[in-house]
Amino acid sequence: SAVISQKPSRDICQRGTSLTIQCQVDSQVTMMFWYRQQPGQSLTLIATANQGSEATYESGFVIDKFPISRPNLTFSTLTVSNMSPEDSSIYLCSVYTGMNTEAFFGQGTRLTVV
Amino acid sequence: ELKVEQNPLFLSMQEGKNYTIYCNYSTTSDRLYWYRQDPGKSLESLFVLLSNGAVKQEGRLMASLDTKARLSTLHITAAVHDLSATYFCAVGGSQGNLIFGKGTKLSVKP
Repeated sequence: SAVISQKPSRDICQRGTSLTIQCQVDSQVTMMFWYRQQPGQSLTLIATANQGSEATYESGFVIDKFPISRPNLTFSTLTVSNMSPEDSSIYLCSVYTGMNTEAFFGQGTRLTVV
Repeated sequence: ELKVEQNPLFLSMQEGKNYTIYCNYSTTSDRLYWYRQDPGKSLESLFVLLSNGAVKQEGRLMASLDTKARLSTLHITAAVHDLSATYFCAVGGSQGNLIFGKGTKLSVKP
């Protein structure tokens, strides 16, 4: 199993600013993922962050808006840049520890942009 | 492209009744997940289904998987108010990611 510590748990930010979300895992994992959940919606994958390579972004998400770092096998950050109210969402990090196993999620970061 | 369709999207049940949530997906996958989400909270893992015919039960919830039909079901037996939440199915993608259904918002009323 994997225990994920994500922070901050929530934040209220001014438009035009940036917020960096941290995700710490208690074990080494190859694959880490960042998801966004807009209000009342399902989860959408933003990007896959593998250590030692550039993050891979899904359609509709770009590196300039959501830069990701993955400095080692237990840690990743997602930055939400130049925020607007439309970025108000829950952001979740997730890890997948291998074939045919459970996917684990952090507690989420509830972001409100005013 | 892997797509996941979940229905119904909204479900209002009376306590004590049974109901089933359906999850269809478009292409082959070796993993199917069911999660529960309470308002303002993260996801709580309910079940991981890995093989055709897999059936798992926990309390009043039972999940099954038919990989040939690309269908999973989450059956609720004798619903109680504490089961009120949003339930998501998710299918494992080829890169280790998950593709989520839209979720079923369940409300159990006395």
